[in-house]
Amino acid sequence: GENVEQHPSTLSVQEGDSAVIKCTYSDSASNYFPWYKQELGKGPQLIIDIRSNVGEKKDQRIAVTLNKTAKHFSLHITETQPEDSAVYFCAPPSGAGSYQLTFGKGTKLSVIP
Amino acid sequence: GAVVSQHPSRVICKSGTSVKIECRSLDFQATTMFWYRQFPKKSLMLMATSNEGSKATYEQGVEKDKFLINHASLTLSTLTVTSAHPEDSSFYICSARDGDRPSNEQFFGPGTRLTVL
Repeated sequence: GENVEQHPSTLSVQEGDSAVIKCTYSDSASNYFPWYKQELGKGPQLIIDIRSNVGEKKDQRIAVTLNKTAKHFSLHITETQPEDSAVYFCAPPSGAGSYQLTFGKGTKLSVIP
Repeated sequence: GAVVSQHPSRVICKSGTSVKIECRSLDFQATTMFWYRQFPKKSLMLMATSNEGSKATYEQGVEKDKFLINHASLTLSTLTVTSAHPEDSSFYICSARDGDRPSNEQFFGPGTRLTVL
């Protein structure tokens, strides 16, 4: 199965600053790399994902970068806002061809106004 | 599009009773559904995977006789916690895979908070 490590576990930034969260995975055959945002008491919401044939993807203030050689992908949030405060999870597939996802332990992001 | 609902959103029950949680895909056909549980301040742990019309596949350590999963249609899966005990109290979340979309993409429901007294 996939071994997933996510860092940092907590992150505090001033409003307007950038935040970066890194996810390391073990299965070199993985080809799908999503990031989820979970607000308190709610289910996770997909915020951005990338596939292995692309190195970077951006959606307004959110971006994901992928380094397949080093087996890690990162979430970048620019111009952070208080509403970005949440727990973020990376969740690569559990194995080549698997429909299951393996969730990282999560990063609690706090944006300080 | 790609909306998943869960019902109920929260339930409180007495020890020894059974509780059923429904998961519905509202605007797509869910060929595969997943059930997770999440303890406070922890990550999501996959409990089982179900494909429409077939038996669910349970993860190691999950009791299939305690957590009954039924995926009878392409839009509905149910999780029944049988003879619930306080240690079953948790946040249960379902997700669904749209068979017409890229294979790994999952859409999550809002979760069900179960409290067993």
